[in-house]
Amino acid sequence: QVQLVESGGGLVKPGGSLRLSCAASGFSFSDYYMTWIRQAPGKGLEWLSYISPSSTNIYYADSVKGRFTISRDNARNSLYLQTNSLRAEDTAIYYCARDEGPGIQVWVFWGQGTLVTVSS
Amino acid sequence: DIQMTQSPSSLSASVGDRVTITCRASQTINSFLNWYQQKPGKVPKLLISAASSLQSGVPSRFSGSGSGTDFTLTISSLQPEDFATYYCQQSYSTPPTFGQGTRLEIK
Repeated sequence: QVQLVESGGGLVKPGGSLRLSCAASGFSFSDYYMTWIRQAPGKGLEWLSYISPSSTNIYYADSVKGRFTISRDNARNSLYLQTNSLRAEDTAIYYCARDEGPGIQVWVFWGQGTLVTVSS
Repeated sequence: DIQMTQSPSSLSASVGDRVTITCRASQTINSFLNWYQQKPGKVPKLLISAASSLQSGVPSRFSGSGSGTDFTLTISSLQPEDFATYYCQQSYSTPPTFGQGTRLEIK
């Protein structure tokens, strides 16, 4: 069965960095677009970034462009999000999710999320 | 970016009630509209895609309709397990965007 497991979250000071990971299993990871979505405490869902199977197509939300970098390692069935210059407003649960198809930004499968807390 | 606006933001209803949540897009999105349900502390769950296509395993009391800019999610007879927050999301263009959510509470 499809499984997505995030890791790498934690407490970080403003201006700091974290590298989030998402380990995928149960499907052919190298065939799918993958996405990061976050949810601040008590708030709604915010799409952050996607990456195509070969990493040739990458897109970011304006809120994280220039600070976050998405990447993937198909040999390791893993997705990453490098988060730099973190701000208090980046505090959120970060989810990875599998796109339902090329250009089909619909998500059936989500990880359980990893919590990032930005605080001094 | 396409803005998605849900109404109401919160709603109190009773078991057995018929409930409708609306979602409006700031520009036409054809039928590229999806609905998610999220319970406290849980991961969002896709209920309906392409405005009206019910996901496998989702009870038939859930239905979606609309096209263009105006969409609705209807729950025909509320069950205790339906009390949750519901989000619409457009998949017409990048970046995909969500509505702010509708919190459905027990009256």
